[in-house]
Amino acid sequence: DAMVIQNPRYQVTQFGKPVTLSCSQTLNHNVMYWYQQKSSQAPKLLFHYYDKDFNNEADTPDNFQSRRPNTSFCFLDIRSPGLGDAAMYLCATSRDDGSNQPQHFGDGTRLSIL
Amino acid sequence: KNQVEQSPQSLIILEGKNCTLQCNYTVSPFSNLRWYKQDTGRGPVSLTIMTFSENTKSNGRYTATLDADTKQSSLHITASQLSDSASYICVASSGGSYIPTFGRGTSLIVHP
Repeated sequence: DAMVIQNPRYQVTQFGKPVTLSCSQTLNHNVMYWYQQKSSQAPKLLFHYYDKDFNNEADTPDNFQSRRPNTSFCFLDIRSPGLGDAAMYLCATSRDDGSNQPQHFGDGTRLSIL
Repeated sequence: KNQVEQSPQSLIILEGKNCTLQCNYTVSPFSNLRWYKQDTGRGPVSLTIMTFSENTKSNGRYTATLDADTKQSSLHITASQLSDSASYICVASSGGSYIPTFGRGTSLIVHP
C-alpha cells in the first residue's frame, strides 16, 4: 500500500495560473519535504517541514509556498507558474529519530505549463 | 560543501549481464549512504542504506559497498533484468542532519 500519496499524478496549468499540489502520508513521520526534479537531474530540495516548523531553502523562489495543516498532509502552492517550473515534484517523508531510516517518496506530480 | 558525484552518467547493458555503478561523496561528518532506484515517472525507492561501520549490504541482486576511508560507494547489479532499467541515485547524509545530499543518478538501460 502506498504510504506517501501525491495528487494529482499529472497536472497541466496555464502560464501564470496558480496551482496546488498535494501530498499525504500514513507513516506518521515528523519531517516532510518537497523536491523539484527536472529531467536527468538530482531532486532539488525546495523546503521542508520539521513538525510544524517550516524551513525554506535559500534559493527557492518566492513563487513557491507550502502549507502543512496537520501531520499527514502537506501542500505545494505555485502562485504564478512560469515555463521554467515545468518539472516533476516529489514529496518525501522521514522520521528524524537518529535511526538512519530512509526517506519515503511519493510517485510525484508531473507539472506541465502551457 | 557536501557533494555526491556518480558515474557513469548512463549505462547500457544486455539482459543477464552484471554492472557496477560508482558514487563518490564528500559529506562531513559522514552518517550514512543510501542507494535509491527511480523508475521512469515514479518516486525513488530505497535499495540499501549503510552506516560508517558497514562495508557491504545486499538486497536481492543488488549489492552495495562502502569505503569510508576513500569516501566511495558502489552498487553492483547481478544478472540484470529488463526491470532494472531505471535511474540509480546515491544519497549521502551527514551526522546531525536530516537533509541528505543527492547525486544526479546513473541512468541504466537493460536491453534484451
